[in-house]
This record gives sequence, C-alpha cells and structure tokens, in this order.
Amino acid sequence: IAGITQAPTSQILAAGRRMTLRCTQDMRHNAMYWYRQDLGLGLRLIHYSNTAGTTGKGEVPDGYSVSRANTDDFPLTLASAVPSQTSVYFCASSRGVDTGELFFGEGSRLTVL
Amino acid sequence: RKEVEQDPGPFNVPEGATVAFNCTYSNSASQSFFWYRQDCRKEPKLLMSVYSSGNEDGRFTAQLNRASQYISLLIRDSKLSDSATYLCVVNIRAGTALIFGKGTTLSVSS
Repeated sequence: IAGITQAPTSQILAAGRRMTLRCTQDMRHNAMYWYRQDLGLGLRLIHYSNTAGTTGKGEVPDGYSVSRANTDDFPLTLASAVPSQTSVYFCASSRGVDTGELFFGEGSRLTVL
Repeated sequence: RKEVEQDPGPFNVPEGATVAFNCTYSNSASQSFFWYRQDCRKEPKLLMSVYSSGNEDGRFTAQLNRASQYISLLIRDSKLSDSATYLCVVNIRAGTALIFGKGTTLSVSS
C-alpha cells in the first residue's frame, strides 16, 4: 500500500540552487496540496490543485511553483532556494478539495545553507 | 487575527486525566471542521470530523460552537499513547484547501 510517496526524504541544498520535491499518489485523488511546517508556525499551505491541470496559491506561495500535468503527480519546485525555505514539506491529497480527510506523505526535510 | 488559533500548550497530564483543547476560527462562514493528530516527526492524520451536533468516538468528543466560533476536543481517560500534537483544521471557504492551526501539544505521563 503506497498512498502518497514523497522524495527525497531529506536534502541539504546550497542557496541559489534549484530543487524539485516530488510527490506521487496512487489513490486517484482529485485534490493535492503542498504544506510546509515550521516550529512555532504550524502547517502552512503553499500551493494546491483541485484537479489535474489546475493549481492555486495558498498562504505562502512566493518562491515556489507547482504543476499538475496528471492526477498522480504534484511536484513542488524551488527555483532558487533561500535559507528561509529550510523546512519540512508535506504533500497531501484528498478525494476533493472540500473533503476533510487529507492523506499526507511522510514529509521531505529540506535544509538550505 | 489568525484564521485558526489554538493554545500551543504543552498540556502535561497524568494517565487517566481528562483534558480539553479549544480552537477558535475567524471566518463565521467556515464550512467544516476537523481535528488531526500529529506524532513527533510524523505526518498529520485525521482524528475526527466535528459536526454541528457534536460527536464522540470512544474517549474522544468533539464539539462545535458556531455562535462563538470555536471547536473543542475532549479526551477522557488519557493514555500514554495520546501524547501527540493535536491540530485544529478548518475549511474557511468552499472550494479552498484546509487551514491548519499551529497545534496543541499533549504529554501524558505515568
């Protein structure tokens, strides 16, 4: 049983480098999300996608981009990483954007030096 | 004012205690409400939905007060395994993603 798979699980990155966090789900869920979690700030929504081919901005979208070419994949790209993007990134999916049960991946821990 | 606010705690209670967490939300038009649980260094998982009439799942009871714009989670007979961070989650507007509170940390000790 896979559910949601994120890669890499951990990465150290030099500032200014480009980085793509991968997220794949096998549940045929319509909606997918990227959150970042920082100590004292909780989970904050970066970008989301209601269905394949559409994306939307969350609370903290600056410095990040996403694409949703198909149902299963929802990669998150940092075009030029900065130290403030050091965080734990969680990808999640749900049957629809209005349903309450999100299924999360195990997270990607990113450190930008 | 933040859209979803929780007391961060930590709440330190002995086994068998009853503990309650509250969460307030700012948008009176919010559609739906949930409690998630997150164990240390793990991903969040849905604990229970919160219905207008209140709902119970074993030792856990969730309540919604729309007039005062808060939801609550009551845990009875606390177990060591209840130690975790509890996240209040709100759907602010239809068609938008869920907004998470910062979480309340519970530590149950023997």
